[in-house]
Amino acid sequence: EVQLVQSGGGLVKPGGSLRLSCVASGFPFASTWMTWFRQSPEKGLEWVGRLKSKTSGGAADYAAAVRGRFIISRDDSTNTMYLQMNSLTPDDTGVYYCTTRVLVRGNWFDPWGQGTQVTVSS
Amino acid sequence: DIQMTQSPSSLSASIGDRVTITCQASQDIRNYLNWYQQKPGKAPKLLIYDASILEGGTPSRFGGSGSGTHFTFTISSLQPEDLATYYCQQYDNVPITFGQGTRLEMK
Repeated sequence: EVQLVQSGGGLVKPGGSLRLSCVASGFPFASTWMTWFRQSPEKGLEWVGRLKSKTSGGAADYAAAVRGRFIISRDDSTNTMYLQMNSLTPDDTGVYYCTTRVLVRGNWFDPWGQGTQVTVSS
Repeated sequence: DIQMTQSPSSLSASIGDRVTITCQASQDIRNYLNWYQQKPGKAPKLLIYDASILEGGTPSRFGGSGSGTHFTFTISSLQPEDLATYYCQQYDNVPITFGQGTRLEMK
Protein backbone atom coordinates (compact mmCIF):
# COMPACT_ATOMS: atom_id res chain seq x y z
CA GLU A 1 0.00 0.00 0.00
CA VAL A 2 1.26 3.47 -0.91
CA GLN A 3 1.33 5.34 2.39
CA LEU A 4 2.84 8.28 4.26
CA VAL A 5 2.85 8.32 8.06
CA GLN A 6 3.73 11.48 9.94
CA SER A 7 5.03 12.07 13.44
CA GLY A 8 6.26 14.98 15.49
CA GLY A 9 4.57 18.29 16.03
CA GLY A 10 2.97 19.70 19.14
CA LEU A 11 3.06 22.91 21.15
CA VAL A 12 6.17 25.10 21.07
CA LYS A 13 6.97 28.62 22.26
CA PRO A 14 7.82 31.40 19.80
CA GLY A 15 11.46 31.17 18.80
CA GLY A 16 11.52 27.44 19.43
CA SER A 17 12.16 24.50 17.12
CA LEU A 18 10.35 21.33 16.08
CA ARG A 19 11.08 18.45 13.72
CA LEU A 20 8.42 16.63 11.77
CA SER A 21 8.95 13.20 10.20
CA CYS A 22 7.23 11.52 7.27
CA VAL A 23 7.81 7.81 6.68
CA ALA A 24 6.99 6.44 3.24
CA SER A 25 6.05 2.93 2.20
CA GLY A 26 4.79 1.16 -0.91
CA PHE A 27 6.78 3.14 -3.48
CA PRO A 28 10.42 3.82 -4.47
CA PHE A 29 11.06 6.64 -2.01
CA ALA A 30 14.66 7.32 -3.03
CA SER A 31 13.65 8.31 -6.58
CA THR A 32 10.62 10.39 -5.53
CA TRP A 33 10.34 14.15 -5.02
CA MET A 34 8.56 14.97 -1.75
CA THR A 35 6.57 18.01 -0.63
CA TRP A 36 5.34 19.66 2.58
CA PHE A 37 2.14 21.70 2.79
CA ARG A 38 0.49 23.36 5.76
CA GLN A 39 -3.02 24.54 6.47
CA SER A 40 -4.49 27.10 8.81
CA PRO A 41 -7.91 28.77 9.01
CA GLU A 42 -6.32 32.16 8.41
CA LYS A 43 -4.18 31.33 5.36
CA GLY A 44 -5.75 28.20 3.93
CA LEU A 45 -3.54 25.65 2.20
CA GLU A 46 0.07 26.74 1.71
CA TRP A 47 3.03 25.12 0.02
CA VAL A 48 5.98 24.93 2.45
CA GLY A 49 8.60 23.38 0.21
CA ARG A 50 9.77 20.38 -1.77
CA LEU A 51 12.78 18.11 -1.84
CA LYS A 52 14.08 16.57 -5.01
CA SER A 53 15.40 13.04 -5.17
CA LYS A 54 19.17 12.62 -5.02
CA THR A 55 19.13 11.45 -8.63
CA SER A 56 17.58 14.83 -9.54
CA GLY A 57 20.20 16.72 -7.57
CA GLY A 58 18.68 16.50 -4.10
CA ALA A 59 18.00 20.25 -3.75
CA ALA A 60 15.17 21.75 -1.74
CA ASP A 61 12.94 24.71 -2.63
CA TYR A 62 11.13 26.72 0.02
CA ALA A 63 8.27 29.16 0.32
CA ALA A 64 9.43 32.69 1.01
CA ALA A 65 7.71 32.64 4.42
CA VAL A 66 9.91 29.79 5.71
CA ARG A 67 13.12 30.18 3.72
CA GLY A 68 16.13 30.42 6.03
CA ARG A 69 14.20 28.97 8.99
CA PHE A 70 12.96 25.58 7.77
CA ILE A 71 15.07 22.73 6.38
CA ILE A 72 13.71 19.76 4.44
CA SER A 73 15.91 16.66 4.38
CA ARG A 74 15.62 12.97 3.64
CA ASP A 75 17.08 9.65 4.73
CA ASP A 76 16.63 7.26 1.84
CA SER A 77 17.89 4.34 3.96
CA THR A 78 14.81 4.63 6.19
CA ASN A 79 12.36 6.08 3.63
CA THR A 80 11.96 9.16 5.81
CA MET A 81 11.61 12.86 5.04
CA TYR A 82 12.09 15.49 7.71
CA LEU A 83 10.96 19.06 8.20
CA GLN A 84 13.19 20.90 10.68
CA MET A 85 11.44 24.08 11.78
CA ASN A 86 13.47 26.75 13.58
CA SER A 87 12.72 30.26 14.86
CA LEU A 88 9.02 29.44 14.92
CA THR A 89 6.43 32.20 15.12
CA PRO A 90 2.66 32.09 15.73
CA ASP A 91 2.20 32.46 11.95
CA ASP A 92 3.65 28.95 11.57
CA THR A 93 0.73 27.46 13.50
CA GLY A 94 -1.25 24.94 11.47
CA VAL A 95 -1.63 21.37 10.33
CA TYR A 96 1.37 20.16 8.35
CA TYR A 97 1.09 17.53 5.63
CA CYS A 98 3.69 15.60 3.64
CA THR A 99 2.74 14.42 0.19
CA THR A 100 4.07 13.27 -3.15
CA ARG A 101 3.02 12.20 -6.62
CA VAL A 102 4.29 8.79 -7.66
CA LEU A 103 3.83 6.18 -10.36
CA VAL A 104 3.64 2.63 -9.02
CA ARG A 105 3.11 -0.37 -11.28
CA GLY A 106 1.53 1.79 -13.96
CA ASN A 107 -0.83 3.68 -11.65
CA TRP A 108 -0.47 7.22 -10.32
CA PHE A 109 -0.84 7.83 -6.59
CA ASP A 110 -1.14 11.09 -4.64
CA PRO A 111 -0.67 10.02 -1.04
CA TRP A 112 -0.85 12.49 1.84
CA GLY A 113 0.24 11.97 5.42
CA GLN A 114 -2.43 12.13 8.08
CA GLY A 115 -1.38 15.63 9.09
CA THR A 116 0.26 16.83 12.27
CA GLN A 117 -0.70 19.86 14.34
CA VAL A 118 1.94 22.48 15.10
CA THR A 119 0.97 25.20 17.56
CA VAL A 120 3.30 28.11 18.28
CA SER A 121 2.18 29.98 21.36
CA SER A 122 3.57 31.39 24.58
CA ASP B 1 3.59 34.00 -7.14
CA ILE B 2 0.59 32.79 -9.15
CA GLN B 3 -2.70 33.81 -7.52
CA MET B 4 -5.63 31.40 -7.78
CA THR B 5 -9.07 32.99 -7.45
CA GLN B 6 -11.76 30.42 -6.73
CA SER B 7 -15.49 31.07 -6.66
CA PRO B 8 -17.88 30.83 -5.02
CA SER B 9 -16.43 30.59 -1.51
CA SER B 10 -19.51 28.66 -0.40
CA LEU B 11 -22.33 26.94 -2.18
CA SER B 12 -25.62 25.49 -1.01
CA ALA B 13 -27.12 22.77 -3.22
CA SER B 14 -29.56 19.86 -3.15
CA ILE B 15 -28.98 16.18 -3.82
CA GLY B 16 -29.04 15.61 -7.56
CA ASP B 17 -28.10 19.21 -8.43
CA ARG B 18 -25.38 20.08 -10.91
CA VAL B 19 -22.65 22.05 -9.14
CA THR B 20 -20.03 24.26 -10.79
CA ILE B 21 -16.94 25.87 -9.25
CA THR B 22 -14.56 28.13 -11.14
CA CYS B 23 -10.90 28.91 -10.65
CA GLN B 24 -8.98 31.74 -12.31
CA ALA B 25 -5.18 31.89 -12.42
CA SER B 26 -3.32 35.20 -12.42
CA GLN B 27 -1.18 33.98 -15.33
CA ASP B 28 -1.13 31.18 -17.87
CA ILE B 29 -0.66 27.83 -16.11
CA ARG B 30 -1.33 25.72 -19.23
CA ASN B 31 -3.26 22.73 -17.87
CA TYR B 32 -1.26 22.25 -14.68
CA LEU B 33 -4.23 22.34 -12.35
CA ASN B 34 -5.48 19.93 -9.71
CA TRP B 35 -8.85 19.78 -7.95
CA TYR B 36 -8.94 18.46 -4.39
CA GLN B 37 -11.73 17.44 -2.03
CA GLN B 38 -11.25 17.87 1.70
CA LYS B 39 -13.50 16.64 4.49
CA PRO B 40 -13.20 17.89 8.09
CA GLY B 41 -10.17 16.49 9.90
CA LYS B 42 -8.83 14.78 6.80
CA ALA B 43 -6.07 15.48 4.31
CA PRO B 44 -7.04 16.78 0.87
CA LYS B 45 -7.84 14.08 -1.67
CA LEU B 46 -6.92 14.50 -5.32
CA LEU B 47 -9.92 14.18 -7.65
CA ILE B 48 -8.72 15.65 -10.95
CA TYR B 49 -5.26 16.40 -12.34
CA ASP B 50 -4.01 18.12 -15.49
CA ALA B 51 -7.27 20.13 -15.35
CA SER B 52 -9.49 17.37 -16.72
CA ILE B 53 -8.15 13.88 -15.98
CA LEU B 54 -9.91 11.91 -13.28
CA GLU B 55 -7.62 10.42 -10.66
CA GLY B 56 -8.07 6.68 -10.26
CA GLY B 57 -11.13 5.95 -8.13
CA THR B 58 -12.80 9.34 -8.72
CA PRO B 59 -16.50 8.86 -9.58
CA SER B 60 -17.48 9.86 -13.10
CA ARG B 61 -19.93 12.50 -11.82
CA PHE B 62 -16.88 14.70 -11.19
CA GLY B 63 -15.40 16.63 -14.09
CA GLY B 64 -12.92 19.37 -14.90
CA SER B 65 -12.17 21.58 -17.88
CA GLY B 66 -10.17 24.59 -18.94
CA SER B 67 -6.65 25.66 -19.76
CA GLY B 68 -4.55 28.78 -19.55
CA THR B 69 -6.14 30.93 -16.87
CA HIS B 70 -9.76 29.79 -16.58
CA PHE B 71 -10.86 26.45 -15.15
CA THR B 72 -14.12 24.79 -14.17
CA PHE B 73 -14.97 21.93 -11.82
CA THR B 74 -18.35 20.25 -11.96
CA ILE B 75 -20.33 17.65 -10.10
CA SER B 76 -23.02 16.46 -12.47
CA SER B 77 -25.39 15.08 -9.81
CA LEU B 78 -24.59 15.96 -6.21
CA GLN B 79 -24.49 13.05 -3.76
CA PRO B 80 -24.56 13.26 0.07
CA GLU B 81 -20.95 12.08 0.33
CA ASP B 82 -19.84 15.06 -1.81
CA LEU B 83 -20.38 17.53 1.03
CA ALA B 84 -16.87 18.88 1.56
CA THR B 85 -14.58 21.76 0.73
CA TYR B 86 -13.03 21.82 -2.75
CA TYR B 87 -9.75 23.46 -3.74
CA CYS B 88 -8.02 24.18 -7.01
CA GLN B 89 -4.22 24.05 -7.05
CA GLN B 90 -1.75 25.16 -9.71
CA TYR B 91 1.51 23.28 -10.13
CA ASP B 92 2.93 25.01 -13.18
CA ASN B 93 5.38 26.97 -11.01
CA VAL B 94 6.69 26.99 -7.49
CA PRO B 95 5.45 28.14 -5.12
CA ILE B 96 2.52 25.83 -5.70
CA THR B 97 -0.60 27.79 -4.83
CA PHE B 98 -4.22 27.01 -3.97
CA GLY B 99 -7.53 28.72 -4.35
CA GLN B 100 -9.18 29.74 -1.10
CA GLY B 101 -11.66 26.87 -1.29
CA THR B 102 -15.37 26.33 -1.92
CA ARG B 103 -17.41 24.97 0.96
CA LEU B 104 -20.24 22.83 -0.41
CA GLU B 105 -23.27 22.57 1.88
CA MET B 106 -26.62 20.87 1.66
CA LYS B 107 -29.64 23.04 0.95
